[in-house]
Amino acid sequence: EAGVAQSPRYKIIEKRQSVAFWCNPISGHATLYWYQQILGQGPKLLIQFQNNGVVDDSQLPKDRFSAERLKGVDSTLKIQPAKLEDSAVYLCASTDSNGIAEQFFGPGTRLTVL
Amino acid sequence: AQSVTQLGSHVSVSEGALVLLRCNYSSSVPPYLFWYVQYPNQGLQLLLKYTSAATLVKGINGFEAEFKKSETSFHLTKPSAHMSDAAEYFCAVSKAQGGYGKLTFGQGTILTVHP
Repeated sequence: EAGVAQSPRYKIIEKRQSVAFWCNPISGHATLYWYQQILGQGPKLLIQFQNNGVVDDSQLPKDRFSAERLKGVDSTLKIQPAKLEDSAVYLCASTDSNGIAEQFFGPGTRLTVL
Repeated sequence: AQSVTQLGSHVSVSEGALVLLRCNYSSSVPPYLFWYVQYPNQGLQLLLKYTSAATLVKGINGFEAEFKKSETSFHLTKPSAHMSDAAEYFCAVSKAQGGYGKLTFGQGTILTVHP
């Protein structure tokens, strides 16, 4: 079974530029999560999708971050414009249900904002 | 609100020694608790989880954790450390009901294993 795929793996941009990350969850997984992991900290949930609907985006900085999950499969996370403090690893995870089901994580995208 | 505190951002042990990584949680509702491991440049991998069944949970790679409600703790242990255990470990909590699986993570503990 293929795991959660993310691209790109690394991205370096200058502040005020835009960037987008892509995630392909495990086939059949209805729930998809985007986490932000700043160096030295644990992952923090940015947004959660159930199929193509948003369940929780309470910690998403909506003035600059946006995410979509068209057709309930792939997802894209965008930052526009980027700030220095957005430098982090962005992790995508998926699961086939809510609650106690294991979340499967992708390798992450490491973003550096200069 | 839920939160997790991992005591000790760095733990160093000798190969063959006991591994003990501490995790305390705060939750206003019955929690589910998880331990994840992260190797360099990789995503997180689930080690074990507590979901209100047995309080002593066994996971992969010889790790286990015990849920102690009275102490609000979920410490991770392994009797004998191996060099391959060197990684960063995260404790996480979610709501047993109504949380839609949202995980709140601790800040992580980096485990170093010396020969």
